[in-house]
Amino acid sequence: GAGVSQTPSNKVTEKGKYVELRCDPISGHTALYWYRQSLGQGPEFLIYFQGTGAADDSGLPNDRFFAVRPEGSVSTLKIQRTERGDSAVYLCASSRFGLDTQYFGPGTRLTVL
Amino acid sequence: GENVEQHPSTLSVQEGDSAVIKCTYSDSASNYFPWYKQELGKRPQLIIDIRSNVGEKKDQRIAVTLNKTAKHFSLHITETQPEDSAVYFCAASNSGGSNYKLTFGKGTLLTVNP
Repeated sequence: GAGVSQTPSNKVTEKGKYVELRCDPISGHTALYWYRQSLGQGPEFLIYFQGTGAADDSGLPNDRFFAVRPEGSVSTLKIQRTERGDSAVYLCASSRFGLDTQYFGPGTRLTVL
Repeated sequence: GENVEQHPSTLSVQEGDSAVIKCTYSDSASNYFPWYKQELGKRPQLIIDIRSNVGEKKDQRIAVTLNKTAKHFSLHITETQPEDSAVYFCAASNSGGSNYKLTFGKGTLLTVNP
């Protein structure tokens, strides 16, 4: 079946602007994770959804970052007042409830000028 | 929180040789340890994983070992091929309930020279 998809694949924005990044998980996967990967680093956890609720948002760096998953499927990561330090690849992963194996999307490369 | 250290950061081998990448973790409650392969500009792809109830797992040319006492785990690739060249990440997770958030190492750039 189709894997995890993310849009856009690339996003260039100016400092101070608002951006939205979208993740479509694998059908039937109730768990959804967002990670951020800086150049030369491993992915870092941002937020975890089980169904519609954010069960763990301990990885969000500050209150400029917010994520939603209103219908328990597609999720949107929202970043307000972007800063140059927000530039990174934002990865989404999904898994079946109660299972640990996570499948990653291709990521969105965010560049803040 | 969990901390995962990964070594080496780069590894260059000749085609046909073996490659070993090692990781240590800090949280003794971690119980799930996946390995991901990431080619340049691509998504991380799961290549093998191990859970804390076993000490070793093998899948064709790839094997992973886990030492819970020492809190370290290793990836072994035998008979390396040029297409094995990529960045490899280890990760650890503690399944507190259903949350399997992963803590990753910094990655190992493996180059297999033909």
